[in-house]
Amino acid sequence: AQSVTQLDSQVPVFEEAPVELRCNYSSSVSVYLFWYVQYPNQGLQLLLKYLSGSTLVKGINGFEAEFNKSQTSFHLRKPSVHISDTAEYFCAVRGDGGYNKLIFGAGTRLAVHP
Amino acid sequence: DAGVIQSPRHEVTEMGQEVTLRCKPISGHDYLFWYRQTMMRGLELLIYFNNNVPIDDSGMPEDRFSAKMPNASFSTLKIQPSEPRDSAVYFCASSFAQRGGHEQFFGPGTRLTVL
Repeated sequence: AQSVTQLDSQVPVFEEAPVELRCNYSSSVSVYLFWYVQYPNQGLQLLLKYLSGSTLVKGINGFEAEFNKSQTSFHLRKPSVHISDTAEYFCAVRGDGGYNKLIFGAGTRLAVHP
Repeated sequence: DAGVIQSPRHEVTEMGQEVTLRCKPISGHDYLFWYRQTMMRGLELLIYFNNNVPIDDSGMPEDRFSAKMPNASFSTLKIQPSEPRDSAVYFCASSFAQRGGHEQFFGPGTRLTVL
């Protein structure tokens, strides 16, 4: 069965510092991986996705993630964060069964401080 | 496209009352998902539909919850009777099954408060 573990529930960081949000997955089917962001009082929106091809995936707002099959990881990174990046970030993996179901992690709250 | 539309955005009701949440998916999408988000339990998948047919409702907490999708452009999630522990933000999401798909598009959510 598929599962996602987000290793940090909260990550505090200062503005303009780099950040990495960690995600590990398990999957018995072809691996499709996603990062979503949720700003306060809003729905989730897609940051980036890995379906196949290059293991380094670039997304919106300067974020990128690297798919590492041997370590079953899909960590999200940004070289320099802004106050506006304060949000909750969810990692997700495709579910099995051939349907468009996603399995979400518990989320990581990124707090960017001035 | 207007994106996924949910109504109402906020709902306050008293325990025992019936609550109906509504969702209009993105036109052309053939999957629809209902999620519930709380501080304690995070994001939970309640039920999802494919081509208007319920595929998996194992996340529906109890018989008080029911969901329907009478056509491709409308779905409802009903709670009857409502209880204070149902207070949460309910999200609807839709997606399109295609090669390279699986991305889900989320609505803004309905914040439900049961007093």
